[in-house]
Amino acid sequence: DIQLTQSPSFLSASVGDRVTITCRASQGISSYLAWYQQKPGKAPKLLIYAASTLQSGVPSRFSGSGSGTEFTLTISSLQPEDFATYYCQQLNSYAFGPGTKVDIK
Amino acid sequence: EVQLVQSGAEVKKPGESLKISCKGSGYSFTSYWIGWVRQMPGKGLEWMGIIYPGDSDTRYSPSFQGQVTISADKSISTAYLQWSSLKASDTAMYYCARVKDAFDIWGQGTMVTVSS
Repeated sequence: DIQLTQSPSFLSASVGDRVTITCRASQGISSYLAWYQQKPGKAPKLLIYAASTLQSGVPSRFSGSGSGTEFTLTISSLQPEDFATYYCQQLNSYAFGPGTKVDIK
Repeated sequence: EVQLVQSGAEVKKPGESLKISCKGSGYSFTSYWIGWVRQMPGKGLEWMGIIYPGDSDTRYSPSFQGQVTISADKSISTAYLQWSSLKASDTAMYYCARVKDAFDIWGQGTMVTVSS
């Protein structure tokens, strides 16, 4: 089974900060990776698929990059509504990473 | 509007059976896989399995194979997740999601509580 890890598990940031979250796969998965945002008490929301394609309606401050085994989600300028937990997901077996919680500094 | 609407919260006792539902609308239900995801209280997302309502082809995560059954009734655009004998450890929020490029549309979730 291909395992996903995310780093960091938790990060504290301020409004306006540039934030980067990393997702690593135990084996190469080409570009078969998605990123989701989940707020407390809500269903997850798709942000990015195919590693770097922005889902329709998602603000352009979100971007994704990478292929193979290392991927990043970047928020260029953190907004108040971006404080949430972020998950990566590999699209071969659909397994999720453990999540990264982004909190207010 | 494309949406998935799930059945309401359930409170059950250990050993009881349960079937929860996920109804799709606003798109061709038989043309996209539907996935199920578990989220235990305070924990992350776990993929359980997927089903193609067009022909009921089903794939399970190894972690959930034999523990749950996924099915679909394409005549009413509804997918199901069922347990034959619930355990306290099945207490969780369960989400369904449409699979298009990724899990692009999500249901609102069904909270299942199993307690004696």
